[in-house]
Amino acid sequence: EDQVTQSPEALRLQEGESSSLNCSYTVSGLRGLFWYRQDPGKGPEFLFTLYSAGEEKEKERLKATLTKKESFLHITAPKPEDSATYLCAVRLGGTGGFKTIFGAGTRLFVKA
Amino acid sequence: KAGVTQTPRYLIKTRGQQVTLSCSPISGHRSVSWYQQTPGQGLQFLFEYFSETQRNKGNFPGRFSGRQFSNSRSEMNVSTLELGDSALYLCASSLRNTGELFFGEGSRLTVL
Repeated sequence: EDQVTQSPEALRLQEGESSSLNCSYTVSGLRGLFWYRQDPGKGPEFLFTLYSAGEEKEKERLKATLTKKESFLHITAPKPEDSATYLCAVRLGGTGGFKTIFGAGTRLFVKA
Repeated sequence: KAGVTQTPRYLIKTRGQQVTLSCSPISGHRSVSWYQQTPGQGLQFLFEYFSETQRNKGNFPGRFSGRQFSNSRSEMNVSTLELGDSALYLCASSLRNTGELFFGEGSRLTVL
């Protein structure tokens, strides 16, 4: 069964304290791995797409990396405005069409 | 460029009723997918449409249905509502070959 697991469930950081979020996956027919940010009461917002092992993408204080079995979202010197839920998703494709499966998310709290 | 628009934003129904939710994708996006988000289950894939055809369906009962029109706008319908259908229903549009999803703000359904 296709599965996406994120850890930790919640992470509390002090402003400036760098850390990493993990996304591990067991799927077949992977067509890409995605990271999204979701603020309370809003829809998820697209951050990154990764397609192959070894690939890295950066945006401001965030950097996403991908291996064959997992992805990491590194947060460098976070600020309170980085507080949100970060969702990992995998896009699967085959003869039956495409679908995207999401992990449960990591809730990040950054304290000033 | 206008984002994904979902209507209504909030609605309250009683058990046994039915509900129709609407989604207008980003101009030029022909792929629309729907997700159910609850605190316990996270984001669950409902279905994906491309060019008016349902291309994939998640593991939901037949009470959940949808359709896409020639202008790419989409609707989803839930019949014979149950208490467990209370959730945030999110619509996302995408350019199908990239897989990056752009979400609306969601329709929050409460079933009493």
